[in-house]
Amino acid sequence: AQSVAQPEDQVNVAEGNPLTVKCTYSVSGNPYLFWYVQYPNRGLQFLLKYITGDNLVKGSYGFEAEFNKSQTSFHLKKPSALVSDSALYFCAVSDASGGSYIPTFGRGTSLIVHP
Amino acid sequence: KAGVTQTPRYLIKTRGQQVTLSCSPISGHRSVSWYQQTPGQGLQFLFEYFSETQRNKGNFPGRFSGRQFSNSRSEMNVSTLELGDSALYLCASSQRQGSNEKLFFGSGTQLSVL
Repeated sequence: AQSVAQPEDQVNVAEGNPLTVKCTYSVSGNPYLFWYVQYPNRGLQFLLKYITGDNLVKGSYGFEAEFNKSQTSFHLKKPSALVSDSALYFCAVSDASGGSYIPTFGRGTSLIVHP
Repeated sequence: KAGVTQTPRYLIKTRGQQVTLSCSPISGHRSVSWYQQTPGQGLQFLFEYFSETQRNKGNFPGRFSGRQFSNSRSEMNVSTLELGDSALYLCASSQRQGSNEKLFFGSGTQLSVL
């Protein structure tokens, strides 16, 4: 079975400061990893994904994520936060090794960027 | 290209009633998945359809059902509504099935059961 943990329900950061939203995963084979963002009253929007190759993945809106196989983590980062980044962020994992291709989502982390 | 469209946007029902939600995927997308989103549980997978066939099913009771039509549009039905069914129901589409496919989500249907 595959699972995702987002250990922080909420992350607070000041505008202009770097931000990190944490994600750890468990999957029997090799992982495919995703980050999605949800703005109020909207569905989820894809930010980035890790398939293979470079451990640092760059995505939309200046976000990036680092895949760490030994720590089974895929933390989302941005060098300089904007107030408009305030939203709900979801990490997801699926199995690249032939298991279920349906992604499992974490419970989400609310990011609040203060002016 | 139009995005994923879900209707209606809001629904208010009473216990015991049934409800049907609709989802139109992005043109050319053949896979449609449904998720239930609640504050406490996050996103829970309901089921996935591809080429009019249910390919995967989550751990929900039989009161939750769905179908997909030949034009890839999908409907989800919940019968005998319970208070705990109050949630945001999200539909997502992708071009193909596969572990590395990114999902395109609709804005959801907010269901309130009174």
